[in-house]
Amino acid sequence: QKEVEQNSGPLSVPEGAIASLNCTYSDRGSQSFFWYRQYSGKSPELIMFIYSNGDKEDGRFTAQLNKASQYVSLLIRDSQPSDSATYLCAPRGGSTLGRLYFGRGTQLTVWP
Amino acid sequence: GAVVSQHPSRVICKSGTSVKIECRSLDFQATTMFWYRQFPKQSLMLMATSNEGSKATYEQGVEKDKFLINHASLTLSTLTVTSAHPEDSSFYICSAPDGGTDTQYFGPGTRLTVL
Repeated sequence: QKEVEQNSGPLSVPEGAIASLNCTYSDRGSQSFFWYRQYSGKSPELIMFIYSNGDKEDGRFTAQLNKASQYVSLLIRDSQPSDSATYLCAPRGGSTLGRLYFGRGTQLTVWP
Repeated sequence: GAVVSQHPSRVICKSGTSVKIECRSLDFQATTMFWYRQFPKQSLMLMATSNEGSKATYEQGVEKDKFLINHASLTLSTLTVTSAHPEDSSFYICSAPDGGTDTQYFGPGTRLTVL
């Protein structure tokens, strides 16, 4: 069983703060890692992905990956109320057409 | 990014009827598509992997005779919920990996309510 664990929520931060979302995974064969955002009642939308150890920045979002520790995180800088959603971490196996494994997600609330 | 569409977005049906949900990749070809189900306040649950030109692969505990999947072309997969019952009411979401961008995109989902 390939497990994906995310920090238990809900996570609540004030507007303008940094939100830190964490994820650990059990499958050492995972090659790529995706972060999705899901608003209530909507389907997931892709935020960003990371393949290599280290940091990857995209606007206000930074993904961090440490394969040795089987750990991936997402930082959201200058959090906005519109960032309030559930964030899903999804490792993927070797194939580019392979399935994603989802955790339960972390619910983030950004209050004004 | 690439676009995946689903139709219908919402359906209400009577118990015992069958409902077909379509999933289309609009600007890329998808030999594989995934079907998920999500109950309120719960995580995404993968139901099956749809493969173009071959049988779908179902996850453990998912009844293949109840949830019929047909991957008719490189851009279309359909999920048919046969003899639907109220417990099948859920949010059904498909996704498709775009090999060209190495990314998986989700459709907008179909909310099924069985009365």
